[in-house]
Amino acid sequence: GDSVTQTEGPVTVSESESLIINCTYSATSIAYPNLFWYVRYPGEGLQLLLKVITAGQKGSSRGFEATYNKETTSFHLQKASVQESDSAVYYCALGENSGTYQRFGTGTKLQVVP
Amino acid sequence: GGIITQTPKFLIGQEGQKLTLKCQQNFNHDTMYWYRQDSGKGLRLIYYSITENDLQKGDLSEGYDASREKKSSFSLTVTSAQKNEMAVFLCASSPGQGAGNTLYFGEGSRLIVV
Repeated sequence: GDSVTQTEGPVTVSESESLIINCTYSATSIAYPNLFWYVRYPGEGLQLLLKVITAGQKGSSRGFEATYNKETTSFHLQKASVQESDSAVYYCALGENSGTYQRFGTGTKLQVVP
Repeated sequence: GGIITQTPKFLIGQEGQKLTLKCQQNFNHDTMYWYRQDSGKGLRLIYYSITENDLQKGDLSEGYDASREKKSSFSLTVTSAQKNEMAVFLCASSPGQGAGNTLYFGEGSRLIVV
């Protein structure tokens, strides 16, 4: 079936350092999945961080970027310089317009320390 | 903008009890979802509904019932609460009827079984 695998947390990074959270997917029943990163900040609900629907394209939001790579079936989340306010749980997900529901990874808890 | 409201925020019940979680959305979205969030296991779909009175089972539907009597509301019933079911339940909605659209989430309801 379709599935998403992402970096196991928790991940601890010092402020102003770079970050990469890996996400790979298996889309056996979905030819052209849409790929998502959702984020849950402390005390808030889960919300969309960024979304890419076309292979080869890059999405960006709040200084984060992710590129949809169909060859390596990956959608890694990167940020050049993290801040304490980026501390949150990040979820990678895939879904298709004609599909039934989105599949999520296990989530990666990020802690940014001063 | 819209909002998704989940009630109650904490639901405490006894083992074997039937317990119900409620979700309301004012986005006028077609599709609504119930996901279960367990630490280290990500989000797993319990039920979803693409329109009023429609119900579709997800990967984790056993032990749960759902009801979509109005477009704006979607309830989830734990038919016989078990201690290993303590988790956070997330309600979400999305426009249209495909899985390629952004999900909008409520803040979650935590189930505690004593």
